[in-house]
Amino acid sequence: AQSVTQLDSHVSVSEGTPVLLRCNYSSSYSPSLFWYVQHPNKGLQLLLKYTSAATLVKGINGFEAEFKKSETSFHLTKPSAHMSDAAEYFCVVSPSGYGNKLVFGAGTILRVKS
Amino acid sequence: SQTIHQWPATLVQPVGSPLSLECTVEGTSNPNLYWYRQAAGRGLQLLFYSIGIDQISSEVPQNLSASRPQDRQFILSSKKLLLSDSGFYLCACGLAGGTDTQYFGPGTRLTVL
Repeated sequence: AQSVTQLDSHVSVSEGTPVLLRCNYSSSYSPSLFWYVQHPNKGLQLLLKYTSAATLVKGINGFEAEFKKSETSFHLTKPSAHMSDAAEYFCVVSPSGYGNKLVFGAGTILRVKS
Repeated sequence: SQTIHQWPATLVQPVGSPLSLECTVEGTSNPNLYWYRQAAGRGLQLLFYSIGIDQISSEVPQNLSASRPQDRQFILSSKKLLLSDSGFYLCACGLAGGTDTQYFGPGTRLTVL
């Protein structure tokens, strides 16, 4: 069965410091992997997507994620946090790379301190 | 690019009342459409998905139903709301052609009292 584990339910960083949100996945097939961001009472916005073209994926707002097959990880990073990055982040897997259903992680709430 | 509209944005309804939430999509044809619910502390739950008009699959048994009367319109309904139906309802769109990326609407906050 496919699954996604976000290793931290809450992460707190200071403005201007690096962000690391951790995600491990389990999939029987070569998956597509996504990161979405959700601000309070808003819909989910796609940050980036991995589809095997390149292991380092660059997304919007300065975020990037690295696919590591040997570690089954897809961690999200940003060099310098901004106050506007405070939100909930979801790691998501599409197990077969094609299909109707996504598997969502439980989410990580990012807090950015001034 | 596609745009997803949901209304209403917020809704407060008494227990036992009916429900109708609407989702419409612009900028793409023959999309896959999805209804999700976010309840406090429970993450995102897929409720229904549709690959075409009148082609709807239910993921979770419940007192909700979905309909797709037009290609780019997806409706979530209930005849009698329960307290447990409270939550944030999200409509999502997957582009035709087999891609697995989903794009989300702004959501509807439903409170059942």
